[in-house]
Amino acid sequence: AQSVTQPDIHITVSEGASLELRCNYSYGATPYLFWYVQSPGQGLQLLLKYFSGDTLVQGIKGFEAEFKRSQSSFNLRKPSVHWSDAAEYFCAVGARSGTYKYIFGTGTRLKVLA
Amino acid sequence: EPEVTQTPSHQVTQMGQEVILRCVPISNHLYFYWYRQILGQKVEFLVSFYNNEISEKSEIFDDQFSVERPDGSNFTLKIRSTKLEDSAMYFCASGLSRYEQYFGPGTRLTVT
Repeated sequence: AQSVTQPDIHITVSEGASLELRCNYSYGATPYLFWYVQSPGQGLQLLLKYFSGDTLVQGIKGFEAEFKRSQSSFNLRKPSVHWSDAAEYFCAVGARSGTYKYIFGTGTRLKVLA
Repeated sequence: EPEVTQTPSHQVTQMGQEVILRCVPISNHLYFYWYRQILGQKVEFLVSFYNNEISEKSEIFDDQFSVERPDGSNFTLKIRSTKLEDSAMYFCASGLSRYEQYFGPGTRLTVT
């Protein structure tokens, strides 16, 4: 069955520390991969996406993610976290053909300590 | 930067009532979607809409649900007779192609 797993429900980091949020997927073929961020009371904002090519993709707000086909992973990273990064982060996958729907992970809630 | 907007931000309704959730997608987008997120659960796909018809729907999207693009700018989700379990955050999304989806801020629906 198609699924997206974000193993960490909550993560707490200190401001200025590095961050890695994990995402693993189970899918029939290599999907399109996305990271979204949701701040309180806000919608889902697209941080970055992977379609093909370079497996290290750059996004907005200083985030990057690396696609590893052998591990079926698409982990999100940031070298130095800011207090404003506190939010919930969702990994999602979409099909290259056929279905239109995205499948989302359960999300990781990030807390940033001053 | 253009964005998807949704109204209202919060809707409270009684069980059995009809509700219409409204969305204004990004103006040149062609693909439209509704998702929902029950509190504490994953974001789930409901329906996609392209070329004035439903292109895909999930098993959640039963006869109680319908979508419409009544004019060139709005995209609506109607729930005919709401149930308690319809309480959720409903997200509208749109995309210029089928490979990108931009989400709105959501409408929180509370069914009492």
